[in-house]
Amino acid sequence: DQQVKQNSPSLSVQEGRISILNCDYTNSMFDYFLWYKKYPAEGPTFLISISSIKDKNEDGRFTVFLNKSAKHLSLHIVPSQPGDSAVYFCAASSGNTPLVFGKGTRLSVIA
Amino acid sequence: GAVVSQHPSRVICKSGTSVKIECRSLDFQATTMFWYRQFPKKSLMLMATSNEGSKATYEQGVEKDKFLINHASLTLSTLTVTSAHPEDSSFYICSAYPGTGLNTIYFGEGSWLTVV
Repeated sequence: DQQVKQNSPSLSVQEGRISILNCDYTNSMFDYFLWYKKYPAEGPTFLISISSIKDKNEDGRFTVFLNKSAKHLSLHIVPSQPGDSAVYFCAASSGNTPLVFGKGTRLSVIA
Repeated sequence: GAVVSQHPSRVICKSGTSVKIECRSLDFQATTMFWYRQFPKKSLMLMATSNEGSKATYEQGVEKDKFLINHASLTLSTLTVTSAHPEDSSFYICSAYPGTGLNTIYFGEGSWLTVV
């Protein structure tokens, strides 16, 4: 049973436009959420995180929104750049437990 | 910033041999390290959690006699794939947790293992 779901395996966006990556979770105990970016054959790179006490966190071009009632979070990238093309993983955790990852969404930013 | 280093980044070994992958936290002490494996078109799968000085906790379905994990010091954890088979070929990633906050889990660069 998948506790963290990224239902879109891939997404294509034009350069300069907004990229929206979605993530849903089922475990109401999760209280910390993270987004990672991964290039082929490399380890994931931490992008941005959000605690369950917030509903928005912004860092430069990246903003994460959390809707606890819907158990949904999203990552917005604006403006999208070709270098943003990668696989994005949503991850969730509660307390000191290991991260539970979604299956990832491959983002392609087209110039 | 904090760095977690994995070595080797790529390794090819013969079927039946063992291979060791090292995960080092270079500028902080990692009380906990996690080992993940990535399958094609699937997410990172947590294999085991290792705490310094104690036995690793393996996830269900992971053979502890095949994937030996040692966390002998606060800066080094090793994963040894014993009697490797071609189906063990995969991308293995470690992450290190300094214990000071969830947003400070750092990942290694990953290690590609190919068993021929």
